[in-house]
Amino acid sequence: AQSVTQLDSQVPVFEEAPVELRCNYSSSVSVYLFWYVQYPNQGLQLLLKYLSGSTLVESINGFEAEFNKSQTSFHLRKPSVHISDTAEYFCAVSSPDQTGANNLFFGTGTRLTVIP
Amino acid sequence: GAGVSQSPRYKVAKRGQDVALRCDPISGHVSLFWYQQALGQGPEFLTYFQNEAQLDKSGLPSDRFFAERPEGSVSTLKIQRTQQEDSAVYLCASSLFGAGRDTEAFFGQGTRLTVV
Repeated sequence: AQSVTQLDSQVPVFEEAPVELRCNYSSSVSVYLFWYVQYPNQGLQLLLKYLSGSTLVESINGFEAEFNKSQTSFHLRKPSVHISDTAEYFCAVSSPDQTGANNLFFGTGTRLTVIP
Repeated sequence: GAGVSQSPRYKVAKRGQDVALRCDPISGHVSLFWYQQALGQGPEFLTYFQNEAQLDKSGLPSDRFFAERPEGSVSTLKIQRTQQEDSAVYLCASSLFGAGRDTEAFFGQGTRLTVV
């Protein structure tokens, strides 16, 4: 079974400051890892994903996340946040070894609030 | 359509009433997922379809929940005799390929169900 822990339910940060949103997972098999973002009144959107290969993955809007197998973590970082980054961020895991669907298991989410 | 469409966006039901929630996936997408997102929680898996076949319904919380996708495109999630604990946002997602493939899931905006 897989599970995801997002320890921080809310993260306030000043504009142009760096931010890290933490995500830890548990799984007995190899995993795919994802970060989804949910802007107000919108659906979940994929921000970035780790499937295999390089452990550092990046999004087009400056976010990056690093897969750390030994620490079972996939923390999301951005060196300088913008007001428009204010949203709810969900970490998710699925297993490529499943014979069924690539069901996503989500964390409880972290609300990032960027303060002007 | 360009994305996953869900209707209605909001539904208020009296306890004991039956409800039906509709999902129009992206045209041509093989996989369709339903998730339930309670307030302050991450989405939780309910059920999965590959075309018209319901391959996994392990997440459905009770036999009052029923989902179908008869022609492999539009899907309906039905909840019979609604209870207050059914109040949540119901999310639908679709992806191009079936299980075990590198594929992104696209989410709809969800249906917010409130049982009074």
